[in-house]
Amino acid sequence: GAGVSQSPSNKVTEKGKDVELRCDPISGHTALYWYRQSLGQGLEFLIYFQGNSAPDKSGLPSDRFSAERTGGSVSTLTIQRTQQEDSAVYLCASSPQTGNYGYTFGSGTRLTVV
Amino acid sequence: EDQVTQSPEALRLQEGESSSLNCSYTVSGLRGLFWYRQDPGKGPEFLFTLYSAGEEKEKERLKATLTKKESFLHITAPKPEDSATYLCASTFRGGSEKLVFGKGTKLTVNP
Repeated sequence: GAGVSQSPSNKVTEKGKDVELRCDPISGHTALYWYRQSLGQGLEFLIYFQGNSAPDKSGLPSDRFSAERTGGSVSTLTIQRTQQEDSAVYLCASSPQTGNYGYTFGSGTRLTVV
Repeated sequence: EDQVTQSPEALRLQEGESSSLNCSYTVSGLRGLFWYRQDPGKGPEFLFTLYSAGEEKEKERLKATLTKKESFLHITAPKPEDSATYLCASTFRGGSEKLVFGKGTKLTVNP
């Protein structure tokens, strides 16, 4: 596609349920990033994938969060046993290569945990 | 701790009234300083990358500059369509590929 696609655009879930957020990067982009943006806070790094290398998971806030990237393309961010503090906009971005920081963001998934 | 701080948090300008946004950073071994624009309900849009003190980049009414401690985003004769939140971010040696973002400056340009 022409841009980074994220789905769903909005998700309301009950506390304790699991959610999956999907990211379709730009075709051919080898680097993929997940960030979280909470109200009044800056973007917070979560995880980074580059090609076939082991992902950098250093930003994941707890073991309830996990992500995978299948076939070097689509990525899924999974949050288990959601808590109210998980409510935020989850943004995915991709870039053609490592070190190219003009990366393209999707419009995000707004997650609300009630 | 590596940090990026933006000021002011919010700025209101009249159309044509030039001003500057500030981004100060305390990172050990800056690799790059980045500016993004974010419109409501959308992801950030890349504007500029600066790598060394003294470097400048321009795009339409925007000019970004970098010193050893801070970066400025100068907006010349802004128009209402320049209204957005402007985000600053940095990468640093030993910090992997992640960007450390500031909280942004919300710019409103009134006609």
